[in-house]
Amino acid sequence: AQRVTQPEKLLSVFKGAPVELKCNYSYSGSPELFWYVQYSRQRLQLLLRHISRESIKGFTADLNKGETSFHLKKPFAQEEDSAMYYCALSRVHGAGSYQLTFGKGTKLSVIP
Amino acid sequence: DTGVSQDPRHKITKRGQNVTFRCDPISEHNRLYWYRQTLGQGPEFLTYFQNEAQLEKSRLLSDRFSAERPKGSFSTLEIQRTEQGDSAMYLCASSLIRTSGDNEQFFGPGTRLTVL
Repeated sequence: AQRVTQPEKLLSVFKGAPVELKCNYSYSGSPELFWYVQYSRQRLQLLLRHISRESIKGFTADLNKGETSFHLKKPFAQEEDSAMYYCALSRVHGAGSYQLTFGKGTKLSVIP
Repeated sequence: DTGVSQDPRHKITKRGQNVTFRCDPISEHNRLYWYRQTLGQGPEFLTYFQNEAQLEKSRLLSDRFSAERPKGSFSTLEIQRTEQGDSAMYLCASSLIRTSGDNEQFFGPGTRLTVL
């Protein structure tokens, strides 16, 4: 069974401080990992995915298969980063539904 | 707005009543997903369609739940004989199959169901 664990329900950091949102996963095959974000009163939206290796809004995430982790990092937090962050995984392309398995989410609060 | 839309946005019903939700995916997206999200949890997969075919259902989808996508465009999710445990946010997402295997799912705003 696939599982995503986000150990922190709430993370508070000061503006300008580094941010790391933790995500660990268990999956028998080769997964695709995502970070989704939900800002206040907005819908869930994709922030980044491991296969694109992009930096979005200053955030990066590296897939560590040895530690089965996909932590989200940003060197300097901004107030507008305050949001709910969800780590998710799906199977790599091939037959199947690509259903997403989500973690419980981490609420990031950036203190001015 | 060309994003995924859902209707209604909020629904309050009494236990035992039937409810139906609608999802309109992004035009030409051939995959459509339903998820359920309860307080303090991430979204949980319920079912998905590829075009009009319902190809996978979660064990969370009891026999009181039924979903359709009759013409491969919009989808409906019906819950019969609602129970208080059905209270949740119901999310719809859509995606487009690509040969690259891209699987970005675009989410709607959700329908919040409250069962009294």
